[in-house]
This record gives sequence, structure tokens and C-alpha cells, in this order.
Amino acid sequence: EERLVQSGPELKKPGESLRISCRVSGYSFTTYWIAWVRQVPGKGLEWMGIFYPGDSEARYSPSFRGQVTLSADKSLNTAYLQWSSVEASDTALYYCARPLSEAGRLDLWGQGTMVTVS
Amino acid sequence: DIQMTQSPSTLSASIGDRVTITCRASQSISNWLAWYQQKPGRAPRLLIYKASTLERGVPSRFRGSGSGTEFTLTITSLQPDDFATYYCQQYDFYGTFGQGTKVDI
Repeated sequence: EERLVQSGPELKKPGESLRISCRVSGYSFTTYWIAWVRQVPGKGLEWMGIFYPGDSEARYSPSFRGQVTLSADKSLNTAYLQWSSVEASDTALYYCARPLSEAGRLDLWGQGTMVTVS
Repeated sequence: DIQMTQSPSTLSASIGDRVTITCRASQSISNWLAWYQQKPGRAPRLLIYKASTLERGVPSRFRGSGSGTEFTLTITSLQPDDFATYYCQQYDFYGTFGQGTKVDI
């Protein structure tokens, strides 16, 4: 079964660093991009960026470029979203998802990771 | 950036109603448009892609149409399980979501 399993909820203080993860199972990790989507509580979905584990290429939405870093560990079939210094405005639910191409529909989603900065 | 504008933001409907949600792109995206359903506490679910292709397992009462800049999601006969929030997403250039449409009673 194809699955994306995300890491658990995080509670951080402003200024702390953070890395959340998305583990892939059931399909070839290096063959598909991984997308990250933010959802502020009570608000809509925001496309943050995509990462291709095959060659470590990352592309960011202008709104998130320079604010976060996408990466992956191929040996662990795991993608990461990280912050060097979180802010209260980063409080949100973060989803990883699989686009079927570089610019593609998101057909498989993780369960989401809630990040609270307070 | 390609902007996506959805309307209405909220829609009140009853079981059996025909429901229509509109999504407009700020520039032509051909038919690179997807629709998602999201229920509270759940991840979004892909319903339709390439503007009108039904994802496997999605009931046929969901229909998508449009191309270029104007798109529509229609639920032909609203069922109790359909009360949720719906998002459009363009994937012609990276990905941008609409603001969402909440369908409630």
C-alpha cells in the first residue's frame, strides 16, 4: 500500500529550529516529487514547494522561498521540511503529498503534522 | 504567480441539491486543474484532475468542467457525505489552491 506517514505534532518556542518528516512506503521514493502544503488553522491550503529525491532538486513558492528548506534522506525514504528559526506565524498544519509530476495533481497525502509555535 | 479565485466561499444546500462551485485562474492553465475535498481533521482527497477526469473511486455525481481560466465542480445530487470544504488547484505552473468553498446544510 502506498503511504505517506508524517512525524508527530511539535510545540516550539520562537527562534527554535525545527524539522518535520514524511516517510514514504509502497512506491519508489526517488521516482516522484514530494510536495508540502500548509494549512493555517481555519484557513485554506497553501502550496509551499516540491522536492525531488532523485536528484535533490527543490523548488519553492515565492511566499516560502528563504523561509523553509526542503530535503530528503534516500536511505530512509524520508522527506523533510525544516526551519532554522520558527516564528508564531509558522503555527499551522503541514501536509506532505505526492504530485504525479513536477507540476502535478496531488494524489496521495500524509496525515499532516501540526506545528505550534508559542 | 497564477492566482486562483473560488466562489462562493460558503454554500448552503440540502440533500439532493445540485451544487456548483466555480474556480477562475488569473491566466490560462489549459486543463491543468484539480479539485479536492477536505473534511474536518482529515487530509484533502483528490476528486478530479485534468479539469474533468474523475479520480478512481470517486462517485460519478462529482463532475468537473472547463478549460483555460474558467472551471466548475458540480455535485449533481448532494449526499450527506459531501458536506465538506472543496478546493481547486492549478498545476500548470507549480501549484496554487483556491481559497476553498465550504458546503454546509
